[in-house]
Amino acid sequence: DIQMTQSPSTLSASVGDRVTITCRASQSISSWLAWYQQKPGKAPTLLIYKVSTLESGVPSRFSGSRSGTEFTLTISSLQPDDFATYYCQQYDSYPYTFGQGTKLEIK
Amino acid sequence: EVQLVTSGGGLVQRGGSLRLSCAASGFTFSKYVMNWVRQAPGKGLEWVSTIHGSGGATFYADSVKGRFTISRDNSKNTLYLQLNSLRAADTAVYYCAKGTSSWDTDRFDYWGQGTLVTVSS
Repeated sequence: DIQMTQSPSTLSASVGDRVTITCRASQSISSWLAWYQQKPGKAPTLLIYKVSTLESGVPSRFSGSRSGTEFTLTISSLQPDDFATYYCQQYDSYPYTFGQGTKLEIK
Repeated sequence: EVQLVTSGGGLVQRGGSLRLSCAASGFTFSKYVMNWVRQAPGKGLEWVSTIHGSGGATFYADSVKGRFTISRDNSKNTLYLQLNSLRAADTAVYYCAKGTSSWDTDRFDYWGQGTLVTVSS
């Protein structure tokens, strides 16, 4: 199985900050990497797929990138609505696997 | 508008069974892969199962293989997950999620609201 190691598990930041969340795959997943946002008590929502393609309606302050098997989600200027938990997911092969999640908290 | 409405969760004893349903609308159901993903209380997301648009291929996490069965009724636009031999570790919110192709490995672009399954010992 492909393991997705996500860091950090918790991130404290302020409105307007630039933040980065990282996900490392245990083997090559090509570009089959998605990022989801989840707010308490709600279902996850798709933010980014294929490493860097923004889902329709997602603000442009979100971006994704890749270096080998390391993937990064960047939020360029945090807004109050962005405080949530973020998950990466590989969909290169079964079983699909998620990172452990990063809880983005208000500092 | 795509809608996925999940139902069927509840409290069940260890070793019991439950069937979850996910009623879909707003898209041509038979053309898309459908998935189940679960989330134990306070924990992260875990993929459970996937079924191709035709229903001809299914995939399972090792943790549920042989106990859970995914199926779909394309005439009713409904996805199912039959849960048998339930364990305490199966306690979770179960989400259905839509893929973006009919058969390929895929991201999840729409999610249902989730239904809570609680297995008591």
